[in-house]
Amino acid sequence: AQSVTQLDSHVSVSEGTPVLLRCNYSSSYSPSLFWYVQHPNKGLQLLLKYTSAATLVKGINGFEAEFKKSETSFHLTKPSAHMSDAAEYFCVVTRGNSGYSTLTFGKGTMLLVSP
Amino acid sequence: GAGVSQSPSNKVTEKGKDVELRCDPISGHTALYWYRQSLGQGLEFLIYFQGNSAPDKSGLPSDRFSAERTGGSVSTLTIQRTQQEDSAVYLCASSASSDTQYFGPGTRLTVL
Repeated sequence: AQSVTQLDSHVSVSEGTPVLLRCNYSSSYSPSLFWYVQHPNKGLQLLLKYTSAATLVKGINGFEAEFKKSETSFHLTKPSAHMSDAAEYFCVVTRGNSGYSTLTFGKGTMLLVSP
Repeated sequence: GAGVSQSPSNKVTEKGKDVELRCDPISGHTALYWYRQSLGQGLEFLIYFQGNSAPDKSGLPSDRFSAERTGGSVSTLTIQRTQQEDSAVYLCASSASSDTQYFGPGTRLTVL
């Protein structure tokens, strides 16, 4: 079984400051991990994906995440927040590279960006 | 190219009525998934189709929920005798040969 814990339901930052969204996972298998973003009244967009290659994964819009097996973490970071980054972010785990797997979502972290 | 599309975008229905939600996956994607996003429950897996295999229905919350996938492409999620707790956004996703899933914009269902 797998599970995901997003440690913060809301994170508030000022524009131009760093972003850190925290995620811990639990998985009985070698996991694939994802971050998705959902803007208001929009669908889910894939930000980045980890699948046992490089532990530091770069995604779209300047986001990146580092897979740390010893800490079972997959935190999402961005050096400088932009107003357009305000959205809800979901950390997601699946079974791994064994083919098709259903996704297990965290509860989400709402990122608020103030001017 | 075209992404996953879903229709309708919004559906308002009365308690006890049946509803059908449609999903058109990305062309060539063999796997199709339905999820539900509701307040308090977050995002939950409902059902999954992969090629011609029997669907994984393990996430369906009750026997009022069913889904079909015709011709390996379009899928319809049907909810019979809708209840107020069925109100949610229903999301469809599809994937090809990897486990990366691409999501549609969702159908917002409101049961009065």
